[in-house]
Amino acid sequence: ETGVTQTPRHLVMGMTNKKSLKCEQHLGHNAMYWYKQSAKKPLELMFVYNFKEQTENNSVPSRFSPECPNSSHLFLHLHTLQPEDSALYLCASSQGREMDEQFFGPGTRLTVL
Amino acid sequence: SQQGEEDPQALSIQEGENATMNCSYKTSINNLQWYRQNSGRGLVHLILIRSNEREKHSGRLRVTLDTSKKSSSLLITASRAADTASYFCATQGGSEKLVFGKGMKLTVNP
Repeated sequence: ETGVTQTPRHLVMGMTNKKSLKCEQHLGHNAMYWYKQSAKKPLELMFVYNFKEQTENNSVPSRFSPECPNSSHLFLHLHTLQPEDSALYLCASSQGREMDEQFFGPGTRLTVL
Repeated sequence: SQQGEEDPQALSIQEGENATMNCSYKTSINNLQWYRQNSGRGLVHLILIRSNEREKHSGRLRVTLDTSKKSSSLLITASRAADTASYFCATQGGSEKLVFGKGMKLTVNP
């Protein structure tokens, strides 16, 4: 495994629900990322955190709210999502920000009804 | 956009054959990376090649980079059924953003 874990692996939620995705990395990395992967579209970067500080918000709707309490944990809080938000949500980490390979978790398959 | 674009979008070969995948991008980069993704799983980093490098090897993988043509190729030699996956190239420019292509699907038939 890559050293990056994500829970839950599958999530089905209604549009009025509130849920959270969790990511944990055991690699001692300083940067963490959220990506969205939809069918037949390129992987979309959503958020970047470096040393717990958000350094990138790629014009993501406010119904997605990230939280990074420390360098090892990253959350994505979800509320009032839309069916088009159904996708595979991937977390990744890297040692630093630039010039580094990224290590991905297995993803959370999200379905919004 | 510096987004990479893989070519072909799908490739089907027999076990033992070589597989070549190409990636083209549009703007200058610091490095280019190749990742593999098995169905419904996370991406696995395969190899990173920096802009001042022309060729790199890792096991059965060989990556080339031509910055003048803004293109890269990934060669998998002596393919195995376990190599069946989607392959992505990703480019990194002046920030931490890694920009991925849409990916290409490789099927290796036993």
